[in-house]
Amino acid sequence: AQSVAQPEDQVNVAEGNPLTVKCTYSVSGNPYLFWYVQYPNRGLQFLLKYITGDNLVKGSYGFEAEFNKSQTSFHLKKPSALVSDSALYFCAVQRSNDYKLSFGAGTTVTVRA
Amino acid sequence: DTAVSQTPKYLVTQMGNDKSIKCEQNLGHDTMYWYKQDSKKFLKIMFSYNNKELIINETVPNRFSPKSPDKAHLNLHINSLELGDSAVYFCASSPPRGGFTDTQYFGPGTRLTVL
Repeated sequence: AQSVAQPEDQVNVAEGNPLTVKCTYSVSGNPYLFWYVQYPNRGLQFLLKYITGDNLVKGSYGFEAEFNKSQTSFHLKKPSALVSDSALYFCAVQRSNDYKLSFGAGTTVTVRA
Repeated sequence: DTAVSQTPKYLVTQMGNDKSIKCEQNLGHDTMYWYKQDSKKFLKIMFSYNNKELIINETVPNRFSPKSPDKAHLNLHINSLELGDSAVYFCASSPPRGGFTDTQYFGPGTRLTVL
């Protein structure tokens, strides 16, 4: 079985401040980890992924995430948030030898001007 | 140059009707998926096809039937629609990696409303 937990339903930050969206996972074997973003009334857009290699991965729109195997976490970060980053963010996990992607419940990010 | 497209974008229908949603991808991917996003935004996999073969079939009522006529298309047919079927349905596709699969790319979604 595999699962993802996003402990915060909502994250509120001021524009220009750092943004962190938390994610922890549970999976047997090696994980593939993903972050997606969903803007209102839109589909999911891929932000970044961890497959193997460097624990710090960089993605679109200035986002990055750090894979921490000991803490089974894959937190999403952005050094300086923009109002346009306001959206719903999903963390997802997949076993390396599987097709199934399991999503967390999502975290709504609101960046105030 | 749309990568994963779905039709229709909106679908409003009466309970008991039968409807279909179509999905096409022009990315050359081998694997395609259907997801359901409920009113609380929770995303759940429903089905997946790899090279036209069904590989994921989650606990979904048998009123839902996927069909993959070729690698680039995956359609979803729903019989006897119920109020609880109201949701946004997303199609996705992914390329192969190491014998399995890599990043999934999503379509824009189909908002189904059952009255």
